[in-house]
Amino acid sequence: EAAVTQSPRSKVAVTGGKVTLSCHQTNNHDYMYWYRQDTGHGLRLIHYSYVADSTEKGDIPDGYKASRPSQENFSLILELASLSQTAVYFCASSGLGGQNTLYFGAGTRLSVL
Amino acid sequence: GEKVEQHESTLSVREGDSAVINCTYTDTASSYFPWYKQEAGKSLHFVIDIRSNVDRKQSQRLIVLLDKKAKRFSLHITATQPEDSAIYFCAASDGADRLTFGKGTQLIIQP
Repeated sequence: EAAVTQSPRSKVAVTGGKVTLSCHQTNNHDYMYWYRQDTGHGLRLIHYSYVADSTEKGDIPDGYKASRPSQENFSLILELASLSQTAVYFCASSGLGGQNTLYFGAGTRLSVL
Repeated sequence: GEKVEQHESTLSVREGDSAVINCTYTDTASSYFPWYKQEAGKSLHFVIDIRSNVDRKQSQRLIVLLDKKAKRFSLHITATQPEDSAIYFCAASDGADRLTFGKGTQLIIQP
């Protein structure tokens, strides 16, 4: 079965600190995505990637960086965490990008204090 | 870019009745429209989709309708059951790479 694993599952960070969220997939999928979920905003795309060593900006990339060192791994980096980045973050993978099913990880609940 | 509007933020129906969730999109080039379900405290999983070459698709109690002229699509859940309670997200793909999601509809099934 398709598997997307996120770590950590929850994190408390201090304002101005660096946060790295990790995602690992065993689906052999080319596409990987980072979304954030906030009440009232639904899911918004932060960054995505369709090949290793390359990332693309989504709709809300400001304040976030992404890294895709291999097909299986995709990280989201908050260099200077801010209060407004408190949210639940979901990683997803897809074999054919936006034209096919996305498989989501369990999510990471990030609280920035 | 694509924008997807999900019209009902909350929908409450009695068990056994039908529920309808409506979405509109802006990009005429969009051709793929999936729906995802998020149960309380859990992640999202795919439930059903429709592509622009058809206007209706059914999978058991789920029916998706697509009106390309109005740029509107909807999810119909018939004979609702308690396990249908969840947040439902519609989405649209305006190209090969990405999906744009609506804000979600909280569906409540009343006994």
